Amino acid sequence: GAGVSQSPSNKVTEKGKDVELRCDPISGHTALYWYRQRLGQGLEFLIYFQGNSAPDKSGLPSDRFSAERTGESVSTLTIQRTQQEDSAVYLCASSPGTVYEQYFGPGTRLTVT
Amino acid sequence: AQSVAQPEDQVNVAEGNPLTVKCTYSVSGNPYLFWYVQYPNRGLQFLLKYITGDNLVKGSYGFEAEFNKSQTSFHLKKPSALVSDSALYFCAVRDRNQGGKLIFGQGTELSVKP
Repeated sequence: GAGVSQSPSNKVTEKGKDVELRCDPISGHTALYWYRQRLGQGLEFLIYFQGNSAPDKSGLPSDRFSAERTGESVSTLTIQRTQQEDSAVYLCASSPGTVYEQYFGPGTRLTVT
Repeated sequence: AQSVAQPEDQVNVAEGNPLTVKCTYSVSGNPYLFWYVQYPNRGLQFLLKYITGDNLVKGSYGFEAEFNKSQTSFHLKKPSALVSDSALYFCAVRDRNQGGKLIFGQGTELSVKP
């Protein structure tokens, strides 16, 4: 079946602009996660959604970052007033529930110039 | 606080030799443990997980890992390495009492030479 998809695959933006990144999880997966991977580093947790529960936002690095999820489908990660340090690959993952392994999308490579 | 350490940035092995990629973790409660692999220009792929039960877990592509509670380790192993195993490997932990987020190690680059 279809895996996790993310769009765009690449995004170049100017410092100070807002960007929106999209994630389409695997159908039926109730949990959805966002991570950030800076060059040469491990993944850094940002936020996750589980069903109708309040999202865990504990990993968001600043109030410039926010995310929404519509029901159990699409999620968007928004970064306002982008900074150069926001440059990274943003990865989305989904799972049937929080106990299970997470399935990752291909990522969006964000470059802030 | 939860954390994962992968003490080796790079591991080099010859094809056909056994390989080990090390991982130690720190959580306040009981852990769920995972290994993922990242091939160049591709997304992360799940390899295996420890949830409960047998401390030796087997996963994809002939990989296995052993959960050692006393040493808080979850080392990844394979009896006979292949050149195609060359990739970036990530260990991750989830505290059962801390929701669904995974905490990842920094990654270990595995290079298998013919």
